[in-house]
Amino acid sequence: DQQVKQNSPSLSVQEGRISILNCDYTNSMFDYFLWYKKYPAEGPTFLISISSIKDKNEDGRFTVFLNKSAKHLSLHIVPSQPGDSAVYFCAASALGNQFYFGTGTSLTVIP
Amino acid sequence: DTAVSQTPKYLVTQMGNDKSIKCEQNLGHDTMYWYKQDSKKFLKIMFSYNNKELIINETVPNRFSPKSPDKAHLNLHINSLELGDSAVYFCASSNDRGRTNGYTFGSGTRLTVV
Repeated sequence: DQQVKQNSPSLSVQEGRISILNCDYTNSMFDYFLWYKKYPAEGPTFLISISSIKDKNEDGRFTVFLNKSAKHLSLHIVPSQPGDSAVYFCAASALGNQFYFGTGTSLTVIP
Repeated sequence: DTAVSQTPKYLVTQMGNDKSIKCEQNLGHDTMYWYKQDSKKFLKIMFSYNNKELIINETVPNRFSPKSPDKAHLNLHINSLELGDSAVYFCASSNDRGRTNGYTFGSGTRLTVV
């Protein structure tokens, strides 16, 4: 039973353009969300988070948007750079419990 | 100076064998986790320990037994390995249940059962 879903397994974007990665969840109790970035043969690394009391969080080129009514969050990367090419996972947690991860979206930024 | 280190990085073994994966964190975190990433790339929680105490034990065969000798270590022992155990296993650690800075992951152990 997958509570966090990333329906796009892959995405290709030109360098300098915006990358938008999407994530949907089913559990309305989720109140904290994370995005991770993963390079091959490495573990996921934490990128940015958002609490359910907010609808936006920004950190440099990365912005996460949360739409609680739609149970949807997205990660925007502007401008996209070749070094951003990686697999991106979203994760969600309810009330301090463990995080549930999506299956990831592989982003390729084309120079 | 690796924050979360797992050994070995690769493990190839025959069905029926018993194997262990070790994990150590030097971040002073109070909680450690084991995640399994299967062939569909789905990262699923297996176990979580907080200060050496088991707090999460998802539906995992009892052939899998975690052991935490201290809060900096969480090892995973697997008995009677099966083909379906082939996956990448990630160890992670956090403070504050990951609510501040998420989890810090190790680089993974790729287990192949033949």
